[in-house]
Amino acid sequence: SQKIEQNSEALNIQEGKTATLTCNYTNYSPAYLQWYRQDPGRGPVFLLLIRENEKEKRKERLKVTFDTTLKQSLFHITASQPADSATYLCALGGKLSFGAGTTVTVRA
Amino acid sequence: DGGITQSPKYLFRKEGQNVTLSCEQNLNHDAMYWYRQDPGQGLRLIYYSQIVNDFQKGDIAEGYSVSREKKESFPLTVTSAQKNPTAFYLCASRATMTELAKNIQYFGAGTRLSVL
Repeated sequence: SQKIEQNSEALNIQEGKTATLTCNYTNYSPAYLQWYRQDPGRGPVFLLLIRENEKEKRKERLKVTFDTTLKQSLFHITASQPADSATYLCALGGKLSFGAGTTVTVRA
Repeated sequence: DGGITQSPKYLFRKEGQNVTLSCEQNLNHDAMYWYRQDPGQGLRLIYYSQIVNDFQKGDIAEGYSVSREKKESFPLTVTSAQKNPTAFYLCASRATMTELAKNIQYFGAGTRLSVL
């Protein structure tokens, strides 16, 4: 069956450090993979989309990699700030299936 | 101000009652979606609609119903047949005009439904 797995453990990091989140998938052959941010009690907000033929995508302090051989995407938040504290969801597939998300807390 | 509006923000359902969650968008998007989110789980697709007067069941449609009479509106009814309705419900829409945009979804702020 199709599955999307993200780090189940919450991530607690010190301000200024890099947070790295993992998204692994099975039984998908996605043309795109997306990352969303969700704040408590709010809807997800789109952050980045990476295509299957792109190895890496950057947007400000965010970097996403996409390895279709490993069936994995890594999401990096560099120079993290307390305002980056949220849950981050990866999503892929034609009808867009979502992982359960990884909660990141950045300590000042 | 373009976006997706969900109402109400909080909703309480009594035993045996049907309740309707509202979702309105002014983004001129063709496709609209309803998801359910439970703690520790990914978003699960309830229903989706790619065009007015047409909708499809998602992965967990049982106990729910929808309509799509207008492009802007996609209300979700949680019927009494849904035995475990307590969850956070999210409505989303998607543009279909460009290849790059076609899979990006825009979400409302959600409705939290609880059972009394």
